[in-house]
Amino acid sequence: GQQVMQIPQYQHVQEGEDFTTYCNSSTTLSNIQWYKQRPGGHPVFLIQLVKSGEVKKQKRLTFQFGEAKKNSSLHITATQTTDVGTYFCAGNTGGFKTIFGAGTRLFVKA
Amino acid sequence: DAGVTQSPTHLIKTRGQQVTLRCSPKSGHDTVSWYQQALGQGPQFIFQYYEEEERQRGNFPDRFSGHQFPNYSSELNVNALLLGDSALYLCASSLVAGTDTQYFGPGTRLTVL
Repeated sequence: GQQVMQIPQYQHVQEGEDFTTYCNSSTTLSNIQWYKQRPGGHPVFLIQLVKSGEVKKQKRLTFQFGEAKKNSSLHITATQTTDVGTYFCAGNTGGFKTIFGAGTRLFVKA
Repeated sequence: DAGVTQSPTHLIKTRGQQVTLRCSPKSGHDTVSWYQQALGQGPQFIFQYYEEEERQRGNFPDRFSGHQFPNYSSELNVNALLLGDSALYLCASSLVAGTDTQYFGPGTRLTVL
């Protein structure tokens, strides 16, 4: 079945360092979404990418969708302690089922 | 403008029991999806409801069933609970299409003893 793999599983950074998480799908995606979940919280929508090769920025966050629409990345520049949480990618293949990756948990040391 | 609400917040059941979880979507949303999130894992799609019908289902047994009401609120029912059903159950609402932005509720933490 369709799988969405996410690496790394965990990342420890010093405040001010950059952070990147990668997402790979076994099948072509119609779109990909990114969510952030704080410890004890629920997933919060960050962004959706639809077009091949699309790049979107939100302040210190940069999101990319691969040319083949099978991979994506989230890059955070100069991390802050408020960036702590788990970042999930999630994709659709044209139906109504959204497949989530296992997430990358980000730890930021002040 | 109320966001997605879920009840109850926490629930403890024993094996073999049945449970009903409830979700009210964000104002203006008509599509509700349910997810199961085990500790340390990503949310797993259970099913999606639209116009009071189950539109798509994930890889979950028939013990998991749902319902959507005319006001778009939804229920998730789980019968014959197993220890492995212990998880955070999330409801997400969106506008119509499955590719629209999903807004998640705070979840119901179910513990099966």
